[in-house]
Amino acid sequence: QKEVEQDPGPLSVPEGAIVSLNCTYSNSAFQYFMWYRQYSRKGPELLMYTYSSGNKEDGRFTAQVDKSSKYISLFIRDSQPSDSATYLCAMRRADSWGKFQFGAGTQVVVTP
Amino acid sequence: NAGVTQTPKFRILKIGQSMTLQCTQDMNHNYMYWYRQDPGMGLKLIYYSVGAGITDKGEVPNGYNVSRSTTEDFPLRLELAAPSQTSVYFCASSLQASLSEDEKLFFGSGTQLSVL
Repeated sequence: QKEVEQDPGPLSVPEGAIVSLNCTYSNSAFQYFMWYRQYSRKGPELLMYTYSSGNKEDGRFTAQVDKSSKYISLFIRDSQPSDSATYLCAMRRADSWGKFQFGAGTQVVVTP
Repeated sequence: NAGVTQTPKFRILKIGQSMTLQCTQDMNHNYMYWYRQDPGMGLKLIYYSVGAGITDKGEVPNGYNVSRSTTEDFPLRLELAAPSQTSVYFCASSLQASLSEDEKLFFGSGTQLSVL
């Protein structure tokens, strides 16, 4: 069983809709969470990071962490065709400096 | 502002051949990493380095070697290439490992490697 599970999609939404992405994890020691966006044939780039339960907002993006349920989410409001990409969650233990476990990624397609 | 630069972008190897994937960063980052990305499997950490002269194994180090003689460069060596090493390889760097945005990973554009 993978430590980090992520639905591969594809998730297709119309432009302007809210995109909802999530990851579940099995290791309760994970304390630091990141979301990356990866365009086709490119390296991932950081969208959000957080290390506490609750919500964190940055523009159209909201990251949510529920450590009691071992569940993290990323919401994208007012989605645009340029948001079409693969979204990767990543997380690590507090004592595993720099060593992240990545989810497999969810492909998102935003249609005009 | 180059960031993280990887070469080559594409390579085809025959079984048993060797090669070095080059990675250099110009951000004066302490931490550098090598990941491989296989379809449906996410990114897997191969090796990482916390500074010049210091390297350590990640999750999938077998069949690979690294060195870090300078802050800027972190080459990945494949010895005796095998079909199982067919993958997309990403080099990344971060300023440091801490509970802050300083741990943000900056990725290169990747090397697509096929071993036939």
